[in-house]
Amino acid sequence: QKEVEQNSGPLSVPEGAIASLNCTYSDRGSQSFFWYRQYSGKSPELIMSIYSNGDKEDGRFTAQLNKASQYVSLLIRDSQPSDSATYLCAVSHILTGGGNKLTFGTGTQLKVEL
Amino acid sequence: DAMVIQNPRYQVTQFGKPVTLSCSQTLNHNVMYWYQQKSSQAPKLLFHYYDKDFNNEADTPDNFQSRRPNTSFCFLDIRSPGLGDAAMYLCATSLGLVNEQFFGPGTRLTVL
Repeated sequence: QKEVEQNSGPLSVPEGAIASLNCTYSDRGSQSFFWYRQYSGKSPELIMSIYSNGDKEDGRFTAQLNKASQYVSLLIRDSQPSDSATYLCAVSHILTGGGNKLTFGTGTQLKVEL
Repeated sequence: DAMVIQNPRYQVTQFGKPVTLSCSQTLNHNVMYWYQQKSSQAPKLLFHYYDKDFNNEADTPDNFQSRRPNTSFCFLDIRSPGLGDAAMYLCATSLGLVNEQFFGPGTRLTVL
C-alpha cells in the first residue's frame, strides 16, 4: 500500500509569516512529487512540482525534496489570507497501462490570520 | 485558454437513477482520469484512459463505468447511485508520461 502522510492541521500562521507544510511518503520508487492547493468546495490546483532532490522556488513558494528521507515540503513565504486553503501532497508513480497515478495525502489545512 | 471542463457542476439524482457526468479538455492531453473525492478525504482514482486504453482501479465498484469517444471527451456513468456515491467527481488530464495532472472544476453529486 503506497501511502502519503500529511498533518491535517489546521496550521495557523500570521499574515506575512512563512508557512511550512510537510509530507512523507512510503514508496521509495516514486519519482515525481506535487503540491496542489484546494479551496473549500473547489478542485485541486497544481502549484508546484518537483522531481529531484533539493529546492525548487517559484515566486513565494519553495518545494523541498529529500528522497533519502522520503520527505517533501512546501514553504510559503509572506503568507497571505488568500493562501488559506487545504494543501494536498501528491506522489506519482507510472502505471503499467500508461499515464501515472497520483497518490494524495489527505491534506493540511492552512489558515493565514490577519 | 486551454482547460478542463466538467458538466454539470452540480448534479442531483435519486437513489438508483443512472447519472452521467462529462469532461472535456482543450489541452490535447492523451490521458484522462476520473477521481472521487469525499469530504475531508484525499481524491481517489477510479480509472483512467491512456489514449483509447481503459484502465480500471482494482477497488472501483462495477457501478462505475466510463467512456471516451474521442481525445477530447470522457464520461463517467454511475449505473445505480447509492447514498455512498455522493461526492465530488474530478476529471484530470495529463500528457503521456509528463506527470503533471490538471483538474477540471469538478461535479458535485448529491444522491437523494
